[in-house]
Amino acid sequence: KQEVTQIPAALSVPEGENLVLNCSFTDSAIYNLQWFRQDPGKGLTSLLLIQSSQREQTSGRLNASLDKSSGRSTLYIAASQPGDSATYLCAVRLSETSGSRLTFGEGTQLTVNP
Amino acid sequence: DAGITQSPRHKVTETGTPVTLRCHQTENHRYMYWYRQDPGHGLRLIHYSYGVKDTDKGEVSDGYSVSRSKTEDFLLTLESATSSQTSVYFCAIRNRGYGEGYTFGSGTRLTVV
Repeated sequence: KQEVTQIPAALSVPEGENLVLNCSFTDSAIYNLQWFRQDPGKGLTSLLLIQSSQREQTSGRLNASLDKSSGRSTLYIAASQPGDSATYLCAVRLSETSGSRLTFGEGTQLTVNP
Repeated sequence: DAGITQSPRHKVTETGTPVTLRCHQTENHRYMYWYRQDPGHGLRLIHYSYGVKDTDKGEVSDGYSVSRSKTEDFLLTLESATSSQTSVYFCAIRNRGYGEGYTFGSGTRLTVV
């Protein structure tokens, strides 16, 4: 059974700092990995999607990397801003056809202080 | 935007009553999913659908049923609501095209009293 772990569970940083969020998974036979952002009381917003054949994806100040063999992904946020405060979720899709379900980590709650 | 609408957004119901949540999508996506989100457990899959009248169970399906009579609508029914089903419920679709990522609805907050 695939298990996804996110460390740290919570992180508080001053504005302007660069930071890294970590995601690890137990089954390396993944199809892709997706990072989401969730604001309090809201739904999930997709940030980045990395295919199993890719090493990284970038969008603006965000960069996600994937090391399938070691079962790890990182989300790098450059020059953090208070508006980046949210919970960040990592989700893995296995290389299977049945439903192509996602397995989620429990998230990292990020607070960026002005 | 995959055009996903969940209804209702909030609901309070009594233990033992049936409850139906609706997920509506406007872009003819084949795959639809129901997840629940709880503190300490993250998001867990309840049921999913891979086409009209084609559904299957997820990891926490006990006490829930689903139906998909039209491509655009995926209904989640709590047959007899219990307090343990108090949660936030999210619907999701699997996008078409390269990568085939997922898009989520805004959620339904259900409280069973």
